[in-house]
Amino acid sequence: AQTVTQSQPEMSVQEAETVTLSCTYDTSENNYYLFWYKQPPSRQMILVIRQEAYKQQNATENRFSVNFQKAAKSFSLKISDSQLGDTAMYFCALPSGGSNYKLTFGKGTLLTVNP
Amino acid sequence: DGGITQSPKYLFRKEGQNVTLSCEQNLNHDAMYWYRQDPGQGLRLIYYSQIVNDFQKGDIAEGYSVSREKKESFPLTVTSAQKNPTAFYLCASRLGGGEYGYTFGSGTRLTVV
Repeated sequence: AQTVTQSQPEMSVQEAETVTLSCTYDTSENNYYLFWYKQPPSRQMILVIRQEAYKQQNATENRFSVNFQKAAKSFSLKISDSQLGDTAMYFCALPSGGSNYKLTFGKGTLLTVNP
Repeated sequence: DGGITQSPKYLFRKEGQNVTLSCEQNLNHDAMYWYRQDPGQGLRLIYYSQIVNDFQKGDIAEGYSVSREKKESFPLTVTSAQKNPTAFYLCASRLGGGEYGYTFGSGTRLTVV
């Protein structure tokens, strides 16, 4: 069974600083995607970044980047130059493989960016 | 613009009543999903459907039912058998093989009164 663990229920960071959110997972698949979603106070789920497991290069989207360690099954999210609008719940997600595709989510990390 | 529409945004239900949450998408996505979100629990899968007229139970299907008569629509019924229905419910759909993750609706907050 797929599992996703986010060990930091809450984190805070000062505006303009850098913060890293942790995620570890377990899967028997060899080729898969990993995702980070953001849920701001509006509760709309927004895809932040995705990583293809067969790619060694870490994904980057503007101020968001990942540190993907396939052997360690670790997928952390780094947010650079934090902004007040980054305040949100962040969820790590892993899909199951095969034809019954479905995403398994971690329990989330509540990130607060302080002015 | 394409997207997923969930309605209503807020819903109140009396104990013992069934209630139906609407989810409509105009993205032409084949697969649709219902998740339940509780504080500290993340998102838990209730039901999902990969094609019209077919659906599968997720991890917490007890007390819920769904239908998928049209590609665009995937309504969720919360029945009186669901012991603790107060939660935030999210509908999602998937493009292609899943490499793009999900697109989510804006959610429905259900409260039992």
